[in-house]
Amino acid sequence: ETGVTQTPRHLVMGMTNKKSLKCEQHLGHNAMYWYKQSAKKPLELMFVYNFKEQTENNSVPSRFSPECPNSSHLFLHLHTLQPEDSALYLCASSPSRGASGETQYFGPGTRLLVL
Amino acid sequence: AQTVTQSQPEMSVQEAETVTLSCTYDTSESDYYLFWYKQPPSRQMILVIRQEAYKQQNATENRFSVNFQKAAKSFSLKISDSQLGDAAMYFCAYRSISSGSARQLTFGSGTQLTVLP
Repeated sequence: ETGVTQTPRHLVMGMTNKKSLKCEQHLGHNAMYWYKQSAKKPLELMFVYNFKEQTENNSVPSRFSPECPNSSHLFLHLHTLQPEDSALYLCASSPSRGASGETQYFGPGTRLLVL
Repeated sequence: AQTVTQSQPEMSVQEAETVTLSCTYDTSESDYYLFWYKQPPSRQMILVIRQEAYKQQNATENRFSVNFQKAAKSFSLKISDSQLGDAAMYFCAYRSISSGSARQLTFGSGTQLTVLP
């Protein structure tokens, strides 16, 4: 275990549903990340939070809405998703974005299927 | 923008043998970090090894070592004495030392490694 947990582990939702993904880290880190992992494609960075402030949004559609209430928790709110949004959503954390060589610690991911 | 290429979608190795996974990258920067991450089936992705570009010495971590060729922009991972537990998807990643969005991790598409008993 890496100290980063994600719930739920699996999620099936319709295109009109609203759901949220949760990530929690127990490592005392200050930076948290959301990635999308699709089959046979590189991981795509979606959002970055540093000290609870969003520092990056990589042109993610507005149907994905992140929330970071504190440095230990990160949410991804989902609404009116499309079937092409089906993927593994990974959360990661790192001490901070101050050091380029720092390791990111990944959660187990939420496998999302949009019908 | 930096790109990372893993040209081997799948590889296999016999248990106890050695396998090398290839990774090339494209950058105009002189200093950066390179990483290999491992993602076992249904398990969390973890860091395998890290290399700082300004260090000429290749990084090693037990049975894992890299062959870092800066001029060729190549960063291969060698796994010696392969074990069944090494079976996983392996991702190569690049991280700039520049400020701002350029410092995000850029991943390759991964290599699925199968270890045969």
